[in-house]
Amino acid sequence: KAGVTQTPRYLIKTRGQQVTLSCSPISGHRSVSWYQQTPGQGLQFLFEYFSETQRNKGNFPGRFSGRQFSNSRSEMNVSTLELGDSALYLCASSPGTGGTGELFFGEGSRLTVL
Amino acid sequence: EDQVTQSPEALRLQEGESSSLNCSYTVSGLRGLFWYRQDPGKGPEFLFTLYSAGEEKEKERLKATLTKKESFLHITAPKPEDSATYLCAVQESGGSYIPTFGRGTSLIVHP
Repeated sequence: KAGVTQTPRYLIKTRGQQVTLSCSPISGHRSVSWYQQTPGQGLQFLFEYFSETQRNKGNFPGRFSGRQFSNSRSEMNVSTLELGDSALYLCASSPGTGGTGELFFGEGSRLTVL
Repeated sequence: EDQVTQSPEALRLQEGESSSLNCSYTVSGLRGLFWYRQDPGKGPEFLFTLYSAGEEKEKERLKATLTKKESFLHITAPKPEDSATYLCAVQESGGSYIPTFGRGTSLIVHP
């Protein structure tokens, strides 16, 4: 069974640009969550999508947005990039039916903002 | 105040030297506590789920235990391949089921 796939793995942007990250969950998983990981803050929850609807949202500014498609694939977008947005962005999938905390993570997209 | 606190932040062990990692939490009601392992440049990998005080789970050299306020990840006779960051996450009952992660313990096992 293929795992969670995230693209791109690495990217470099400059301040003010925007970026779109993609996540393909495990086949059959309907919930996709996004996390930001930095050395100072650890893993911070961004949002969760289930059946194309945002079901939960973390405490991030509106520059961070996401969506989920009918095939459960998800994208997240960050607009007007700031230096502090440099981080590892992780996508995690789960079956999504019972609110399990057992998440299956991808390898992440490492974003560097210059 | 962090809901999930892990200690120590970093731990260096010699191969074969057993030790424990701690995860303390302050949620009013626990739905589940989760341990993950994260290797450099990779996403976290699920290890265990614990639901109630007194529960224990084992996998190879790892054993996770749970009390009402904390969990321990015991590592018996560790090997260099056990080197990784170990993350603890807590799911609170009665609210959003989104787990809150601690900042992790970075473990290095020297041969």
